[in-house]
Order: sequence, then C-alpha cells, then structure tokens
Amino acid sequence: AQRVTQPEKLLSVFKGAPVELKCNYSYSGSPELFWYVQYSRQRLQLLLRHISRESIKGFTADLNKGETSFHLKKPFAQEEDSAMYYCALRMNRDDKIIFGKGTRLHILP
Amino acid sequence: NAGVTQTPKFRVLKTGQSMTLLCAQDMNHEYMYWYRQDPGMGLRLIHYSVGEGTTAKGEVPDGYNVSRLKKQNFLLGLESAAPSQTSVYFCASTSHLMNTEAFFGQGTRLTVV
Repeated sequence: AQRVTQPEKLLSVFKGAPVELKCNYSYSGSPELFWYVQYSRQRLQLLLRHISRESIKGFTADLNKGETSFHLKKPFAQEEDSAMYYCALRMNRDDKIIFGKGTRLHILP
Repeated sequence: NAGVTQTPKFRVLKTGQSMTLLCAQDMNHEYMYWYRQDPGMGLRLIHYSVGEGTTAKGEVPDGYNVSRLKKQNFLLGLESAAPSQTSVYFCASTSHLMNTEAFFGQGTRLTVV
C-alpha cells in the first residue's frame, strides 16, 4: 500500500543547529515527492519538490530511491523555521496526492 | 488572481445536519482534492477529481460526497454530520499538464456538536 511516513511528531532544535526532518515513502510506481510547510494558522504552501532540486529558505531535500526517503535538511536553524512540515507523495498511476502525518519543528532560542 | 478559495471559513453544525463546503479555483487546474486535517493524523485525502464530471475516493471517503460539475468548483457534502467529522478541511488544486505543485485553500474549520 502507498504511504508516507514521518516518524517524528515533534522536533525541537536550537537556533543555529542543523535540522533534519525524516520522510520515507512506500510506492511501487514512479514517485514525485514534495515538502509542504504550514505556518501558524496559515494554509499549506510548497517548500520543495524533488524534481526542481532547489534550495528554498536554506532547506534542501534529496530523493533517495534506494532507501525510499526524502529527508529535509537545513544546516543552521532559524527561529522563523518553526512550523508544521508535511512530506507528500504524488502517484503517477492514479493522480492521488497523499501526505505524511507531519512533523512540528520547534526552534529553541 | 485569488488562487484557491474555500467557503465558509468556519461552521458549527448539529449532529445530523447537512452542509456543503465549496472550493473554487481560478487557475484552470484539472485536478482538485479535499483533505481533512486532524491533530496527530496529518492530512488525509477524502475525495479527489481529475476533471470536470469525474470524482474518485481517497483514503477516508465515508460520510462524504463530492461533485465537480464545473472545472473551477469542487463541492464537498456532508449529508448527516457526525462529531467525528469535526476537523479542518482543506481543498487543493493542481495541474498535471502544467506540472504544478498543489495549491491549497485557507481551510474550513468545522465543528459538529
């Protein structure tokens, strides 16, 4: 069955420390992976998608098909990074987009 | 250019009442989705549509119905609301032709008492 797993519900990191939010997926077809961010009381917005291979707000993510992972990383956390982060999988077979349960990132001063 | 707009933003229903949530997008996207967001559960796909006149079930479709009579609108209906349907509902749209990401509405907070 297709699924997206984000193992951490909450991640607390000190300002200036590195951040890694984990995402693993299960899908037998050709996956497209995304990271979305939701700041307090706002709508979800795209942070990264694997096909663009960009760095947005200092975040990067690499698709590892061997490990079926798409971990989100940032070398130096900033207070404004505090938010809810969702990993998402778009499946090319049936056009569904499914999400993980999300990780709340809390940056400590 | 409003993007994705959801109506209403808030609603309180009594158990057994019905209501319809409206999602409208002005980006000419083919695909539209309805999700519910619950603490600890993330976003779960209720129903989705890949084009006008077509709908399909997602992960948690029971208790909901949808319709996509016009390309720009995707309606989510609750025929007989239950307290378990208390949630924040998000609509999203995307275009596979233009290979865009999903754009989200601002959410509808629904409480069923």
